Amino acid sequence: QSALTQPRSVSGSPGQSVTISCTGTSSDVGGYNYVSWYQQHPGKAPKLMIYDVNKWPSGVPDRFSGSKSGNTASLTISGLQAEDEGNYYCCSYAARDTLLVFGGGTKLTVL
Amino acid sequence: EVQLVESGGGLVQPGGSLRLSCAASGFTFSSHWMHWVRRAPGKGLGWVSRIKSDGSHISYADSVKGRFTISRDNANSTLFLQMNSLRAEDTAVYYCVRGYSQYAVYFEYWGQGTLVTVSS
Repeated sequence: QSALTQPRSVSGSPGQSVTISCTGTSSDVGGYNYVSWYQQHPGKAPKLMIYDVNKWPSGVPDRFSGSKSGNTASLTISGLQAEDEGNYYCCSYAARDTLLVFGGGTKLTVL
Repeated sequence: EVQLVESGGGLVQPGGSLRLSCAASGFTFSSHWMHWVRRAPGKGLGWVSRIKSDGSHISYADSVKGRFTISRDNANSTLFLQMNSLRAEDTAVYYCVRGYSQYAVYFEYWGQGTLVTVSS
């Protein structure tokens, strides 16, 4: 059981937008702006896509955007492309014994 | 090119010990936070431990506190994880991960992982 809750799967057609949610508590997502998102393709290492809730590391296209409302963070991917297909994980700083907690991951399928 | 190469995984009996190593290259090792993250079979990612660039600050997940010890050798660009009192639930692929920029809470580069199996 992961500390943060993500939908198991989402899907969308090329050009559309999809949003992946990540729900935690006031002790993690809701309490701090230290939320990050990672993209992982099969057999590859995870890639940092968003940090500090809504900032982009260098090289990440601005089709990927992050936001937060209350205890739920969201990753929105606009203008879906085939190469966006993969697994997405959220992660948050947490004010408890385990300082960093992950979501269970969401499989994005581009139809 | 940033490279992180883990070693030291294997099969160990419950209650046993293992020491994982991670050889880093392609960047200034002594400038970055380093982490261990694991993925148990059929499960998601789980953060294990982190250590500051100079080794002055260390944190552990509650599930490994008191059993695992993270350390680093900046002179040789190597990260370690000493794992004692291993349990079946520690079975996982363990990844060595470099922190993003100066941040202590984000992950940028990952190794390929080393498998630890705890079983009798």
